[in-house]
Amino acid sequence: EAQVTQNPRYLITVTGKKLTVTCSQNMNHEYMSWYRQDPGLGLRQIYYSMNVEVTDKGDVPEGYKVSRKEKRNFPLILESPSPNQTSLYFCASSQSPVGPLHFGNGTRLTVT
Amino acid sequence: AQSVTQLDSHVSVSEGTPVLLRCNYSSSYSPSLFWYVQHPNKGLQLLLKYTSAATLVKGINGFEAEFKKSETSFHLTKPSAHMSDAAEYFCVVGGWMDSSYKLIFGSGTRLLVRP
Repeated sequence: EAQVTQNPRYLITVTGKKLTVTCSQNMNHEYMSWYRQDPGLGLRQIYYSMNVEVTDKGDVPEGYKVSRKEKRNFPLILESPSPNQTSLYFCASSQSPVGPLHFGNGTRLTVT
Repeated sequence: AQSVTQLDSHVSVSEGTPVLLRCNYSSSYSPSLFWYVQHPNKGLQLLLKYTSAATLVKGINGFEAEFKKSETSFHLTKPSAHMSDAAEYFCVVGGWMDSSYKLIFGSGTRLLVRP
């Protein structure tokens, strides 16, 4: 089954404790992207990747890092999480930036 | 510059009645327009996509949207609501800006379907 898999689904952590949210897709997609969803704001792009070893900032990249060492994986790293990063995070992939996005089921992060 | 406005944060309809979710956009170029649906505890799923072919776009689950350039609108409709349509819907505008492709998401419309 074609899918984007994110882990974990839920995460509660404390300020400053480094964490990684994993994302993997099995559709051989070139393009992958991370979004955060906050009430009333829709989805905002954090980082995206056009291909392996090619990543770029989205609209809200501060406090986040990403890597794309393999085509299928695109982890999101929070080196020093803060409470304002409490949000619902989605990973998505598509064959190209203009193609329809396939989304994971989301990771709900709480930073206390 | 691109932007998208969903005119209603919440819409409530009775089962079997028509659905109208409104979306206005702003774009400097010919945009691509999308509607996505998000069911509780799920990721977003593509409903339909407009890319300058037919102005009336048919999507999944009986939904359709009409691109009206003169009104800069891309409203989503369905003739008869079903309980399973209760979800949040996002209008999205896409286009090339500064040599990168950008997707701008609306703030979402939550659809409630009453029995």
